[in-house]
Amino acid sequence: EAGVAQSPRYKIIEKRQSVAFWCNPISGHATLYWYQQILGQGPKLLIQFQNNGVVDDSQLPKDRFSAERLKGVDSTLKIQPAKLEDSAVYLCASSLSLGTGETQYFGPGTRLLVL
Amino acid sequence: GQQLNQSPQSMFIQEGEDVSMNCTSSSIFNTWLWYKQDPGEGPVLLIALYKAGELTSNGRLTAQFGITRKDSFLNISASIPSDVGIYFCAGGLYNNNDMRFGAGTRLTVKP
Repeated sequence: EAGVAQSPRYKIIEKRQSVAFWCNPISGHATLYWYQQILGQGPKLLIQFQNNGVVDDSQLPKDRFSAERLKGVDSTLKIQPAKLEDSAVYLCASSLSLGTGETQYFGPGTRLLVL
Repeated sequence: GQQLNQSPQSMFIQEGEDVSMNCTSSSIFNTWLWYKQDPGEGPVLLIALYKAGELTSNGRLTAQFGITRKDSFLNISASIPSDVGIYFCAGGLYNNNDMRFGAGTRLTVKP
């Protein structure tokens, strides 16, 4: 079974530029998550989707971050405009459904460096 | 919000030694999970705990869900070089799958 796919794996941009990340979850997984992992810290949840609907985006900085999962499968996370403090690894994860007991499977992440 | 304190921050041990790390919280969690992250990869689930007091093993790994629901520990017995990595605890709630992660314990194993 293929795992969670993410692209690109690395991205370097200048501050105030825009960037987008793509995630393809495990086939059949209804729930998709985006996490931000700053160097030396644990992942922090940004947004979670159930199919194509947003379940929780309370920790997403909505003035610059946006995410969508239009067809309930792939998802994109966008930052516009980027700031220096956005440098981090952006992890995508998926699970069969919501709720305790549903294991989240993580992708390899996209490493973003904002100069 | 819920804060998780994970300790130690890093450990340097000899191959064959046992390792213990723990996680505490100021708030109650209904699930505790332990993940391992290798360089350049996403976290991989090692052990999931769902009941207060639960003790669960996965090979050389053992984890416990504290009685107070505010803490958990992970033990690794007879460490080997491939145990090197960063170990994260995470606490979860029943009503959704929003997990809060600790800052991680970086483990180095010397052959």
